[in-house]
Amino acid sequence: DGGITQSPKYLFRKEGQNVTLSCEQNLNHDAMYWYRQDPGQGLRLIYYSQIVNDFQKGDIAEGYSVSREKKESFPLTVTSAQKNPTAFYLCASSDHAAGNYGYTFGSGTRLTVV
Amino acid sequence: GENVEQHPSTLSVQEGDSAVIKCTYSDSASNYFPWYKQELGKRPQLIIDIRSNVGEKKDQRIAVTLNKTAKHFSLHITETQPEDSAVYFCAAGGGDAGNMLTFGGGTRLMVKP
Repeated sequence: DGGITQSPKYLFRKEGQNVTLSCEQNLNHDAMYWYRQDPGQGLRLIYYSQIVNDFQKGDIAEGYSVSREKKESFPLTVTSAQKNPTAFYLCASSDHAAGNYGYTFGSGTRLTVV
Repeated sequence: GENVEQHPSTLSVQEGDSAVIKCTYSDSASNYFPWYKQELGKRPQLIIDIRSNVGEKKDQRIAVTLNKTAKHFSLHITETQPEDSAVYFCAAGGGDAGNMLTFGGGTRLMVKP
């Protein structure tokens, strides 16, 4: 997966249930991001983290939570407060090296509410 | 903050024709402009990028041009092939948002055989 691994590939959530999406990278990147993508739509930023033990809300953080306890890991929890969680979730990472802004994306998790 | 507008949202071309996708950005301090290709159900992958110290960059059939004065940049694909069919995203970064990228809304390119 090019150094960034998302699991599971498919996830089914029952109403009222919290689920956690995993994102792990071995690229030694400082920054990590979570995006939501709805069918035929663009990328919307949920949360991002520039450094371990710190993270910031993106444009659509409501109903989601994250943690960044290790540099290589940035799990996303979709809580029961997120009323319409069915979507494709993408994790990405980037290096803080001067001028190196390119993102590497994971292969995504497709979440469906059943 | 940065705002990136991308046009058109859909583009249909005949195989062998050229395709052009345009993006405008708002933050004059942005200095890094990547393009990502996303095939159906897959992750976005970087196909080409350009930095503000150059006006054009080419890689085989794809090229990107940048006009810093007008704050717009474009992706050019020549001799399109069916496998070029995908969603393309532009992005801008390196400005006030630091290493964060701001993405355009995407362009769905369809290449008809």
